Amino acid sequence: EAQVTQNPRYLITVTGKKLTVTCSQNMNHEYMSWYRQDPGLGLRQIYYSMNVEVTDKGDVPEGYKVSRKEKRNFPLILESPSPNQTSLYFCASSSQRGGGYGYTFGSGTRLTVV
Amino acid sequence: AQSVSQHNHHVILSEAASLELGCNYSYGGTVNLFWYVQYPGQHLQLLLKYFSGDPLVKGIKGFEAEFIKSKFSFNLRKPSVQWSDTAEYFCAVIPSGGSYIPTFGRGTSLIVHP
Repeated sequence: EAQVTQNPRYLITVTGKKLTVTCSQNMNHEYMSWYRQDPGLGLRQIYYSMNVEVTDKGDVPEGYKVSRKEKRNFPLILESPSPNQTSLYFCASSSQRGGGYGYTFGSGTRLTVV
Repeated sequence: AQSVSQHNHHVILSEAASLELGCNYSYGGTVNLFWYVQYPGQHLQLLLKYFSGDPLVKGIKGFEAEFIKSKFSFNLRKPSVQWSDTAEYFCAVIPSGGSYIPTFGRGTSLIVHP
């Protein structure tokens, strides 16, 4: 089944403790992206990647890192999480020509930083 | 950079009422347009999309959207909503030939009362 898999689904952590949210897709998509969703603010892009070893900042990249060492994986790293990073996070992927075919989203990761 | 505006942040309807959700974008060139739906507790799913051709696009579950180029609009419609349509709806735009990274609107929360 074609899908984007995120882990974990839920995570509660403390301020300053490094964490990684994994994202993997099995559709051989070139484009991958991370979003955070907050009430009243909709979806805001954190980082995106157009291919292996090619990443770029989105609208709200501060406090986040990403890497794209393999085509299928695009982990989101919070080196020193803070409470304002409490949010719902979505990973998404699309084929190179799939800008016209839409994105496939993962099931989301609800992160709470205390 | 492109932007997307969704004018209705919260919509409350009774079953069988008609629905129209507004979406306007700002971008001077050719665009691909999308509507995504997010049911409570779930991830985003593609509802319908427009690339070119007939400006009236039909999607899943009886939804349709009309692209009006002169108004930079892509409004979502459904003649008769159901309780199961309760969800958050996001409009998104991707400039053709660009980075294939979508820009999302802030979303419209729809509640349908039985």
